[in-house]
Amino acid sequence: SQQGEEDPQALSIQEGENATMNCSYKTSINNLQWYRQNSGRGLVHLILIRSNEREKHSGRLRVTLDTSKKSSSLLITASRAADTASYFCATVLGAQKLVFGQGTRLTINP
Amino acid sequence: EAQVTQNPRYLITVTGKKLTVTCSQNMNHEYMSWYRQDPGLGLRQIYYSMNVEVTDKGDVPEGYKVSRKEKRNFPLILESPSPNQTSLYFCASSLFAGNEQFFGPGTRLTVL
Repeated sequence: SQQGEEDPQALSIQEGENATMNCSYKTSINNLQWYRQNSGRGLVHLILIRSNEREKHSGRLRVTLDTSKKSSSLLITASRAADTASYFCATVLGAQKLVFGQGTRLTINP
Repeated sequence: EAQVTQNPRYLITVTGKKLTVTCSQNMNHEYMSWYRQDPGLGLRQIYYSMNVEVTDKGDVPEGYKVSRKEKRNFPLILESPSPNQTSLYFCASSLFAGNEQFFGPGTRLTVL
């Protein structure tokens, strides 16, 4: 079964609104990473948050991590059409493997 | 330019015909990995390599082989492809295991 599971599976919002995606995982992690994938292309790394961190910011992105609940969230503020993509969380297991969730498909409507 | 390259980008082949998908990175990364992406299943790891001559199975290694003779190259070999290996394949690398990964552009493979 998947280590990381994103929620929702699909999200459609208006340009300018904020988008929030959640990720839950099952086992202890070293760090958690978020990636973006434009249709059929390679994934692009967005942000990495370590297990001893609770919140991290990068431009319009804000990631939180709650290790007690084994969950993370990705917030994209002031969304733009170019943010339309699939977003994946990935957890690092045993410092060797990166396990991806199934992703959230985000659509930004103009 | 720092990048991960894969070749070919698109491949249509027939069952049983051996093929190799090449992957190369120019960032001197130690860790390299292969994933396949299928609708509804997300990305699943096939094989990974912690360093030269060190490879290990991921979650779906059956039907695949890899080698890591040089640091920059990590080819994926399908000795006898079958239709269930039709998928989108990604190679990725990172400085060390657990760091941010850089992905190649993908190889779309169809096995008839």
